[in-house]
Amino acid sequence: KAGVTQTPRYLIKTRGQQVTLSCSPISGHRSVSWYQQTPGQGLQFLFEYFSETQRNKGNFPGRFSGRQFSNSRSEMNVSTLELGDSALYLCASSLEQGGSYEQYFGPGTRLTVT
Amino acid sequence: AQTVTQSQPEMSVQEAETVTLSCTYDTSENNYYLFWYKQPPSRQMILVIRQEAYKQQNATENRFSVNFQKAAKSFSLKISDSQLGDTAMYFCAFMKPNTGNQFYFGTGTSLTVIP
Repeated sequence: KAGVTQTPRYLIKTRGQQVTLSCSPISGHRSVSWYQQTPGQGLQFLFEYFSETQRNKGNFPGRFSGRQFSNSRSEMNVSTLELGDSALYLCASSLEQGGSYEQYFGPGTRLTVT
Repeated sequence: AQTVTQSQPEMSVQEAETVTLSCTYDTSENNYYLFWYKQPPSRQMILVIRQEAYKQQNATENRFSVNFQKAAKSFSLKISDSQLGDTAMYFCAFMKPNTGNQFYFGTGTSLTVIP
């Protein structure tokens, strides 16, 4: 099975712009989670989707949003980018059946805001 | 909210030696899962080992094993016969099922294996 894929891998944007990141989960996985990883803050949970519904949301401003499609692919959007949004954005998928809750991570999208 | 604490920001170990990474967590739940993830430099995060709280037996995966102390809320990772490829950031994570798949991660321990 193919692993979790994320596109693009690298992105450079300027302040005030918006960005959309994409995540394709492992085939059959219906749960997709997003994290922001920075050297100072570690992994910060953004949100989690399951069957197109947002089940959990972290403590991020409304500029961060996401969605999930019927094929379980997910996108996250950041509007009005700020310098502090520079980070590695990780997507993880999970089967969540039969006690299989572990998350499998994608390679991440490195976002740089200038 | 659950909290996960990794009190060792950095550690080092000689190749072929054994090292133990510490993790403690805070929860009032009885049913939960614990995980260790490894993130090598500039590479993808991968699952190392998982432990179900209802299982008393400590999980093992080849050179990796855990010491799960439920009462003490402690979940340490032991790496035996350390190899250069074990150099990575290690994250401890907690998950409570049936509440959405929300994981709580520790801040990580950077492990360096010295040749």
